[in-house]
Amino acid sequence: EAGVAQSPRYKIIEKRQSVAFWCNPISGHATLYWYQQILGQGPKLLIQFQNNGVVDDSQLPKDRFSAERLKGVDSTLKIQPAKLEDSAVYLCASSLVDRAAMFFGEGSRLTVL
Amino acid sequence: LAKTTQPISMDSYEGQEVNITCSHNNIATNDYITWYQQFPSQGPRFIIQGYKTKVTNEVASLFIPADRKSSTLSLPRVSLSDTAVYYCLVDPGGFKTIFGAGTRLFVKA
Repeated sequence: EAGVAQSPRYKIIEKRQSVAFWCNPISGHATLYWYQQILGQGPKLLIQFQNNGVVDDSQLPKDRFSAERLKGVDSTLKIQPAKLEDSAVYLCASSLVDRAAMFFGEGSRLTVL
Repeated sequence: LAKTTQPISMDSYEGQEVNITCSHNNIATNDYITWYQQFPSQGPRFIIQGYKTKVTNEVASLFIPADRKSSTLSLPRVSLSDTAVYYCLVDPGGFKTIFGAGTRLFVKA
């Protein structure tokens, strides 16, 4: 069974530029999550989707971050404009339903210079 | 939101059993307990999930006492490849889930 796919794996940008990350969850998984993990810390939830609807985005910095999940499958996380403190690994995860075990992708490492 | 407390780090030797305890004093009645493992440059990997008493799978056991205020992940006969960060979570999934800093396990030869 294919796992959660993410791209790109690495991205380096200048501050104030924009970046987009893509995620393809495990087939059939209704719930999709985007996490931000800063070096040395545990992952922090940014947004959770149930199918193509947002369940919770209370921790998403909406002035610069946006996310969508088209047709309840793939998802894109965008940052515009990026700040230095956005340097982190962005992890996508999916689960069969909410509160079930989450399966994570390898992450997209963002460096903002 | 149920906060968890784990040791920051632990050392062990190959072949030993490792027990990592997590405290979660304000766990809610319908909360599950889930453990994840994370290697450098990878996303967390699900290990085990339980609600009460004991759960065992092919890689670990999870012990949860009757009051559910703590839980213990048991890794039998660890190897060098078990060196990783281990996270204990209460109420997996969604905004209620909080990943703490985890426990860094270092297995020595």
